[in-house]
Amino acid sequence: DTEVTQTPKHLVMGMTNKKSLKCEQHMGHRAMYWYKQKAKKPPELMFVYSYEKLSINESVPSRFSPECPNSSLLNLHLHALQPEDSALYLCASSQEPHEQYFGPGTRLTVT
Amino acid sequence: DQQVKQNSPSLSVQEGRISILNCDYTNSMFDYFLWYKKYPAEGPTFLISISSIKDKNEDGRFTVFLNKSAKHLSLHIVPSQPGDSAVYFCAALRFGNEKLTFGTGTRLTIIP
Repeated sequence: DTEVTQTPKHLVMGMTNKKSLKCEQHMGHRAMYWYKQKAKKPPELMFVYSYEKLSINESVPSRFSPECPNSSLLNLHLHALQPEDSALYLCASSQEPHEQYFGPGTRLTVT
Repeated sequence: DQQVKQNSPSLSVQEGRISILNCDYTNSMFDYFLWYKKYPAEGPTFLISISSIKDKNEDGRFTVFLNKSAKHLSLHIVPSQPGDSAVYFCAALRFGNEKLTFGTGTRLTIIP
């Protein structure tokens, strides 16, 4: 089973809202990732957690706040987003970095 | 600086024929290369990877070839099937670094 699940599938939020994206994997993978993908562009790495510790932050604005409550769960807390933050947010997990498995993504629209 | 490039934004291939997707890179420090397939509104699906110490890796209908001297890799799909119609991304990775660097993608259309 190589399934990574993400909720919600779609999210519309205003610029003053606070919302969270959730990602879950039950493959026992040690690493979890957040990527952002804009239309017609490749995914871009945002954060990496390894063994529940933040190991990479790709200079992401503080309005995006990741959290890894346990080895199976990864959250992305959103606050005061801008319309240009509208994108597909992808979660991935891996045991080895060269085999990252992606979830279906959350389509976020900021109005 | 685009370190991984897919110069063909789209490709159409007849069903049953071979599909060849190409990818070029500039950073000779990459240790692993991966191919992903992506349908609209879905996450990328991992297809196949290759270590920089190899020149070929095969998995069913998918074969990846790596030419280190040319900094070029290709994905061969034989035979092509309608379900292969998707966007294909190549990606590269350095050991000790969790970050995948993706190419811009090639949209493959299989013509029945």
